[in-house]
Amino acid sequence: QQQVRQSPQSLTVWEGETAILNCSYEDSTFNYFPWYQQFPGEGPALLISISSVSDKKEDGRFTIFFNKREKKLSLHITDSQPGDSATYFCAASGNSGTYQRFGTGTKLQVVP
Amino acid sequence: EAAVTQSPRNKVTVTGGNVTLSCRQTNSHNYMYWYRQDTGHGLRLIHYSYGAGNLQIGDVPDGYKATRTTQEDFFLLLELASPSQTSLYFCASSGGTEVFFGKGTRLTVV
Repeated sequence: QQQVRQSPQSLTVWEGETAILNCSYEDSTFNYFPWYQQFPGEGPALLISISSVSDKKEDGRFTIFFNKREKKLSLHITDSQPGDSATYFCAASGNSGTYQRFGTGTKLQVVP
Repeated sequence: EAAVTQSPRNKVTVTGGNVTLSCRQTNSHNYMYWYRQDTGHGLRLIHYSYGAGNLQIGDVPDGYKATRTTQEDFFLLLELASPSQTSLYFCASSGGTEVFFGKGTRLTVV
């Protein structure tokens, strides 16, 4: 079964708006949550990540909000740009040696 | 920058055919992975390895074999390809928390 879930499946925002991508997980042993960005014809690439000891991680226009109690996190992209149009994957993993499990992805389109 | 190279980039085979997908990483990473990407399912792990000669089963291993011949090289084998294995396949490597992906191999089984 899908251990990492994402919503919405697709999202369209206007340039300059804030895009909010959601993620939830099942396994309470997960403690590391990376977000990957994938452009057409490319493999996913790490965008930003957070560990379970933090509730917020910011990197420029990208911010992760993490709620451990509800097993939910979200990626906020402020001042969205057309170049942000891509598919975003939330992933999760536990202790060292375990592999990352990926969500189903959110396809983001930023309209100029 | 970490480099993961996959070959071929595109492959068409017939049902029942044999296919080998190749992956080489030049990052000196211990871990290597094979994922498949399908719409509605995201990325699903087929097999992974933490060193030459080692193989671990992922979440969707049925119909696939893998072999890690060296630290750098990881192969995915489909011995009796089926249309359900039509997908975009990614190889990846990691030495810590970040996973580095190749550009993918698009496989079509007709």
